[in-house]
Formats: sequence, C-alpha cells, structure tokens
Amino acid sequence: EPEVTQTPSHQVTQMGQEVILRCVPISNHLYFYWYRQILGQKVEFLVSFYNNEISEKSEIFDDQFSVERPDGSNFTLKIRSTKLEDSAMYFCASRLTGGNTEAFFGQGTRLTVV
Amino acid sequence: GESVGLHLPTLSVQEGDNSIINCAYSNSASDYFIWYKQESGKGPQFIIDIRSNMDKRQGQRVTVLLNKTVKHLSLQIAATQPGDSAVYFCAENGQGNTPLVFGKGTRLSVIA
Repeated sequence: EPEVTQTPSHQVTQMGQEVILRCVPISNHLYFYWYRQILGQKVEFLVSFYNNEISEKSEIFDDQFSVERPDGSNFTLKIRSTKLEDSAMYFCASRLTGGNTEAFFGQGTRLTVV
Repeated sequence: GESVGLHLPTLSVQEGDNSIINCAYSNSASDYFIWYKQESGKGPQFIIDIRSNMDKRQGQRVTVLLNKTVKHLSLQIAATQPGDSAVYFCAENGQGNTPLVFGKGTRLSVIA
C-alpha cells in the first residue's frame, strides 16, 4: 500500500538553528500539506502546496517557514531560525485531489528545540 | 466537552461495548468530513469519510453520522476492542481545494 514517508523521525536542534524536515508524498498525488501538532493538542494546518507553489497557508506559517519541492519526489519544510515553541510533531500529508478525498499522513517528525 | 491545552475529552468504554465519539464542526460550508484515528507517536490514520449530501455512512464496525443542521458529526464504533484505544479526530473540508481542518480530538480508552 502506498504511504507517505517522513524523515527524520526525531530531530533535536538548538534554538536559532535551521531545520529541514523531509517528506516523500504518494507518487501520483498532486496536493501536499504540512501540519503541526503540539503535544496533546489538535493537528493544526500549516501550508498546502500544489503545482509547485503554495496554495494556502495559516497564520502559523510565518516568514520563518518555507516549503519546497526540489525534485519530483521530495517535499520539504524548512524552519529558518527555530524557537522553543516550534517544538512539535510535524506531519506531511498528500492527496490525489484538492478536496473531497482522503489525505494520507506520514508518521511525523518530532522536532525538539532546546 | 472542550479540550484546553493537554486535556483532551476522554471516553472510557468496556471492551465489547459500542462507542460514540462526537464532534462539532465549525464551517457550515464544509462539504466533506473525515474521521481519523491517531495512536501514540503515529500520524493520523483514515477511518471513514462522508460527504455533505449524506447523513450516514457505514464501514466495517464503524458508522459516521452527519447532522448538518446543528453542524454535528459522530463516529460510532461497534464492539469496541482494545486496539481501538487512540485519539480520534474529526476533520472538515470546505468547498473547493481547501485543506482539511481538524477538530480537538477525543481520547478513547478501552477497558479490557
């Protein structure tokens, strides 16, 4: 069964450092997403990406965040200068179409900022 | 009830009983809904979906009910098993190519 894969599973970084979280969406999917989940809380939307550009972003997704699809398979989330409050699980998701279809989620990257 | 910070609503059920998990969604224009299951340390896993032109949909041991009048969604799990213990989230999709928006989640604990 096709799946979304994310690496690394756990990333520890010092405050102020840059991190890149990586995702390989399902190969024939066209829409890609990043979500964040602070421990014990709900899953929050960060950004959606379609046709090599951001289609929608939330208030959380400020200038410190960026996304990129550098090749035909990878989808990355970069945080330029991490803050303590960026510590969370980050989930990548992909969908075949933009609405009315299931979003498939990866297993997540646990980011710990110290 | 509402969840604040680390305090998710919790539902405890005996193994073999039926479970009902409720969700109030926010956008009256939402036309697609999904229930996800999230086990500890894992990503959300699809359980069942429903479109707004339906009010009920059944899967294997699960049923989703949609009441658009009061913007309410419920997930019924028949014969709950220990493996059903997890956090359950409803997610709604507005019209068009909009991202899924998640609700606050309910923790289901199954007592063996």
